[in-house]
Amino acid sequence: QVTLKESGPALVKPTQTLTLTCTFSGFSLSTSGMRANWIRQPPGKALEWLARIDWDDDKFYSTSLKTRLTISKDTSKNQVVLTMTNMDPVDTATYYCARTYSNSWYYFDYWGQGTLVTVSS
Amino acid sequence: SYELTQPPSVSVSPGQTARITCSGHALPKQYAYWYQQKPGPAPVLVIYKDSERPSGIPERFSGSSSGTTVTLTISGVQAEDEADYYCQSADSSGQVVFGGGTKLTVL
Repeated sequence: QVTLKESGPALVKPTQTLTLTCTFSGFSLSTSGMRANWIRQPPGKALEWLARIDWDDDKFYSTSLKTRLTISKDTSKNQVVLTMTNMDPVDTATYYCARTYSNSWYYFDYWGQGTLVTVSS
Repeated sequence: SYELTQPPSVSVSPGQTARITCSGHALPKQYAYWYQQKPGPAPVLVIYKDSERPSGIPERFSGSSSGTTVTLTISGVQAEDEADYYCQSADSSGQVVFGGGTKLTVL
């Protein structure tokens, strides 16, 4: 059974750095074709893809946010970590971790429940 | 940057057919995917690679592609299908993009 769960602070102050952890089970991020993604959704707005890390440690970032994002993985702990620097109130959103399992296609077959992050002083 | 365009809302009566479109210039070359999101839970994949249906998704959900437009069709709409629907694709570099979402209302 595949599960993913996001964890991190519910509240961060403007200019601070956000660190989110995705802890997963039911698959291994060392399997060829396996990828982990971060996606966010501001309240009442659309989904936005942020970053991806692949089984071979390749990393990809949203063009618009890449200067602020860092994604990493700890395969032994089944965890993926996302850091986002210089947080702003517009970054208030539910942050999801989601799995991709494909060598060729980029879509999300399993999602975590999401974690709401509010940016406010 | 690459964009996907969806209508903000679609309304249908129970038992009718709902069609939700998604347009993007790269769709002839890249597959599209569809997600259903009800209030609260995370999105659920309902169509992948334009027209494939994951296991557990009812047969009334189908997808099609024509040129720069893909369409999610829900036949015999039920009240439980009321949700937001998002299309998604990726460009050749692996940059993922979502559409703006379509709210399906079952009258």
